[in-house]
Amino acid sequence: DTEVTQTPKHLVMGMTNKKSLKCEQHMGHRAMYWYKQKAKKPPELMFVYSYEKLSINESVPSRFSPECPNSSLLNLHLHALQPEDSALYLCASSPIGSGNTIYFGEGSWLTVV
Amino acid sequence: EDQVTQSPEALRLQEGESSSLNCSYTVSGLRGLFWYRQDPGKGPEFLFTLYSAGEEKEKERLKATLTKKESFLHITAPKPEDSATYLCAGLSNDYKLSFGAGTTVTVRA
Repeated sequence: DTEVTQTPKHLVMGMTNKKSLKCEQHMGHRAMYWYKQKAKKPPELMFVYSYEKLSINESVPSRFSPECPNSSLLNLHLHALQPEDSALYLCASSPIGSGNTIYFGEGSWLTVV
Repeated sequence: EDQVTQSPEALRLQEGESSSLNCSYTVSGLRGLFWYRQDPGKGPEFLFTLYSAGEEKEKERLKATLTKKESFLHITAPKPEDSATYLCAGLSNDYKLSFGAGTTVTVRA
């Protein structure tokens, strides 16, 4: 099973709302990632968690707040977003060490109005 | 800075017309070179990981190869269902995955 599950699949939120994106994997992977993808562009790395600790933050604005409650779950909390934050948000996971294949979820489509 | 460059940007093929996609990379402490397929509106689907120069992997009509500076994805006798964007990405020693811009392949029946 190489499944990364993301919810919700679609989200529309106003600029004053607070919402969260959720990601779950049961492959025993200890690295988890958030990527942002705009139309016709490749995914861009936002955050990396290793062993449930934030290891990389690619200078992402504080209106995006990641959280890793345990080794299977990854959340992205959203607050006071801008319309330009509308994009496909992808969660991914991988083992750490040998066999570093990174598996992606289907993504959450976010529209900020 | 890590860099991954894919060419061509777009590729239009007739069904059965074999071709190759190119990925050139400069990635510090390369942990792996990945190929993904992405259909519109969906997340990237894992195809291959290559770890060292000279390595080759095959899956159905696809074959990926790796040299010290480039990777190639060969599509043999493509079918319309092979139409997608193919993404190449390099994983650095600090677990950053750098993507190329992708090659959009369209296969006409």
